[in-house]
Amino acid sequence: GDSVTQMEGPVTLSEEAFLTINCTYTATGYPSLFWYVQYPGEGLQLLLKATKADDKGSNKGFEATYRKETTSFHLEKGSVQVSDSAVYFCALSSSSGNTGKLIFGQGTTLQVKP
Amino acid sequence: GAGVSQSPSNKVTEKGKDVELRCDPISGHTALYWYRQSLGQGLEFLIYFQGNSAPDKSGLPSDRFSAERTGGSVSTLTIQRTQQEDSAVYLCASSLWGGRADEQFFGPGTRLTVL
Repeated sequence: GDSVTQMEGPVTLSEEAFLTINCTYTATGYPSLFWYVQYPGEGLQLLLKATKADDKGSNKGFEATYRKETTSFHLEKGSVQVSDSAVYFCALSSSSGNTGKLIFGQGTTLQVKP
Repeated sequence: GAGVSQSPSNKVTEKGKDVELRCDPISGHTALYWYRQSLGQGLEFLIYFQGNSAPDKSGLPSDRFSAERTGGSVSTLTIQRTQQEDSAVYLCASSLWGGRADEQFFGPGTRLTVL
């Protein structure tokens, strides 16, 4: 079945450091890919998405590119801030059927220190 | 506008009791999802409703779990004869159409603790 694998955390960075969180997926066809973020004490919210190969999703300085050839959707940010500390979830929505149900990775905790 | 709301925010129950969790989706959203977030299993899909279509129940872990959505709006997730492994945060989400590219908006969750 479809699945998502994320790099394990926690990831601890200093402010202004470069961030990469790896995400790879297994799915048939062309799923939609998402990054959701959960800030401390808050609910899950969409960070960015990409719906077809080579699409780049971006938001709040974060970027991720849908790579069909490597089945990856790595999250990057050039300069992290303390306020980026959160749990990040990579997810896919299968192209088979059209329910939109999300399959999530295990989540990666990011801690940014001043 | 109002987001997805869930109640109660916390529920503590004894093993063997039944519990009901409620979700109010964003007005106008036709699709509604339930997920479960637990330490051991991460975030798991449970059930999906879209308009008047038959729900996708493929994620329900056992027949002790059921859900309904009345009038295309409010949804209730019921867990019968709760077990300790049911302890988790239950998340509800809604989206405009339920398509695979739609953004899902999540509620704050209900933290269920089974003693």
